[in-house]
Order: sequence, then C-alpha cells, then structure tokens
Amino acid sequence: ETGVTQTPRHLVMGMTNKKSLKCEQHLGHNAMYWYKQSAKKPLELMFVYSLEERVENNSVPSRFSPECPNSSHLFLHLHTLQPEDSALYLCASSQVRENSPLHFGNGTRLTVT
Amino acid sequence: GQNIDQPTEMTATEGAIVQINCTYQTSGFNGLFWYQQHAGEAPTFLSYNVLDGLEEKGRFSSFLSRSKGYSYLLLKELQMKDSASYLCARQTNPGGSYIPTFGRGTSLIVHP
Repeated sequence: ETGVTQTPRHLVMGMTNKKSLKCEQHLGHNAMYWYKQSAKKPLELMFVYSLEERVENNSVPSRFSPECPNSSHLFLHLHTLQPEDSALYLCASSQVRENSPLHFGNGTRLTVT
Repeated sequence: GQNIDQPTEMTATEGAIVQINCTYQTSGFNGLFWYQQHAGEAPTFLSYNVLDGLEEKGRFSSFLSRSKGYSYLLLKELQMKDSASYLCARQTNPGGSYIPTFGRGTSLIVHP
C-alpha cells in the first residue's frame, strides 16, 4: 500500500463511547498531522508530531488525545465527544523540510449522536 | 484561519482563465501552498511559493508577493474537472517544525 491510509472511513459514536482513529503513512515521512474539517470552516489544525515529538497542540479539548508510537503511525483517541465534534478528520504527513507539501489521507467521517 | 483570506466562491466558463487570490498575515511566514480538494476527497498539493514571483506548472501557476502578504493561483484553459475547492495554506516554522495553516478555501464552479 502507498500513501496515507486512514481507518475507519466512517464512524458513528454516542457521546459516552470511546473510539480511536488510525492513520498510517507509507511515504517515509517524519511529520504527521491531524486536521478537523467542518462545513463552511477552514481546515483546523489539531495536532502535529515532528520526528515523533508533539510540537503543536492547537487548543484542542482534552476529549481528543493523540498518540504517535512511531513515524509511520498516528492515532486519535476519542472519548466523551459532543455532537459539534461531528466532522471529517483528516490525517496528513510530510517531511520536516521547508518545501515539503502535506499528503492527506481520505479522512474519517465522524458522527457523534 | 490566522488571517488567511480568500474568496468563498467563484464561477467561470470552460476554456477561460480564473485567478484565485489569497492574502495572509506576514509575520512568521515560511512558505505558501495551494491545494485542490474535490468534493468528498482529500486535498492534493498543487504548488509551493516561498520567494517572490510566479511558479508555472502546466495550466496552473502560482504567484507570491512576500511584502504584500499576497498570493494567487491562476488556472488557464479551464476544464469541467477543475470544479473543486482551492485551499491556500500559509506555513510557519516555529522551533524547526513546519506548520501549515489553511484558509477557508475557494469553491470554483466551472460552467460549460
């Protein structure tokens, strides 16, 4: 497999559930990102891991918890979510280099009921 | 989106030329990216500018003016498949990492 793979593609969860989103990149990159995409809003940066260290936590509520066990894998652990957290969650990777673009996965469409 | 502004929507005719503008906050600037996102798909990379001037890639070109905090994406010989959202992203470089921040995107509709 090549590129950036996200699972699951779709997720419906209740507000009391705990679930995890998974992202895997096969591009040899050393930075990984979580973005949230909601209708009519810009892509919102949530977390950045550069060389496996978290370098950006963009004021995200603690009900979202990232994990980056190695440079190829990224998780987003979810618990006690709110309906307004329903959105498309996009994972991306890049090289830690000035002109390296983001390569995105196809996203997980999350619905919180 | 940290003062990244681009028009919400634009329409154009097949075969025409369209210019999508983006203005951004200049402090901490470390590069400007353009991405294309078709409905229901992931964004894909189009272009990168860090120095002033025009970068040309086939039908697509991107321009940057660092002093003005201004960029545009120029699409020539428009095709129906160019109907998509175009995202401007400003990159900063805090502590050696690279952090792209996105504008709201411009939805381009190409009519026959």
